Amino acid sequence: GAGVSQSPRYKVAKRGQDVALRCDPISGHVSLFWYQQALGQGPEFLTYFQNEAQLDKSGLPSDRFFAERPEGSVSTLKIQRTQQEDSAVYLCASSLGPGINNEQYFGPGTRLTVT
Amino acid sequence: AQRVTQPEKLLSVFKGAPVELKCNYSYSGSPELFWYVQYSRQRLQLLLRHISRESIKGFTADLNKGETSFHLKKPFAQEEDSAMYYCALSGRGFQKLVFGTGTRLLVSP
Repeated sequence: GAGVSQSPRYKVAKRGQDVALRCDPISGHVSLFWYQQALGQGPEFLTYFQNEAQLDKSGLPSDRFFAERPEGSVSTLKIQRTQQEDSAVYLCASSLGPGINNEQYFGPGTRLTVT
Repeated sequence: AQRVTQPEKLLSVFKGAPVELKCNYSYSGSPELFWYVQYSRQRLQLLLRHISRESIKGFTADLNKGETSFHLKKPFAQEEDSAMYYCALSGRGFQKLVFGTGTRLLVSP
């Protein structure tokens, strides 16, 4: 069916607002990743889920960033009290399961602009 | 720590010319290297990975562990190859991808 989908595609937030970004992975994909891509940079890892378990959150830049995947499918990345430096494209990717041989499929991204 | 370096932000060539996009990595373990491509208005997608040893759309890349490089090559560039190209690294013990900053390839007629 469809690939990875993300919503909203674009989000403008005033500094200090909270935002929630949604990711719908490919059905049946066990692994889910969030990346942050600042302008002119490559994607940078934020966090990784295997089913509902958040196994790696080493890339989250501050405690204002929180991610969840409560039922092992849809995931939400929440940013509290947004700052200008949070402006970036947030990419979600999913793969069949753990293992470096499993291709990560990327969503279209959510472009967050903090004013 | 893992690191991927793509020294060129922009590579501009004429159609039919050879192309080489450079990628160097830093990783103490056994690496898995990938090239991802993003065409205009499209999402990031896998182009090729070193373990498959495939040629995709005429592109090849060879892992050189001695030089810690994984350069992407194509003998004759086409206009439709114009895109952003990202080199990425993964390895045993971590699931994430570590990306370089990307190289924009522009192929002119």
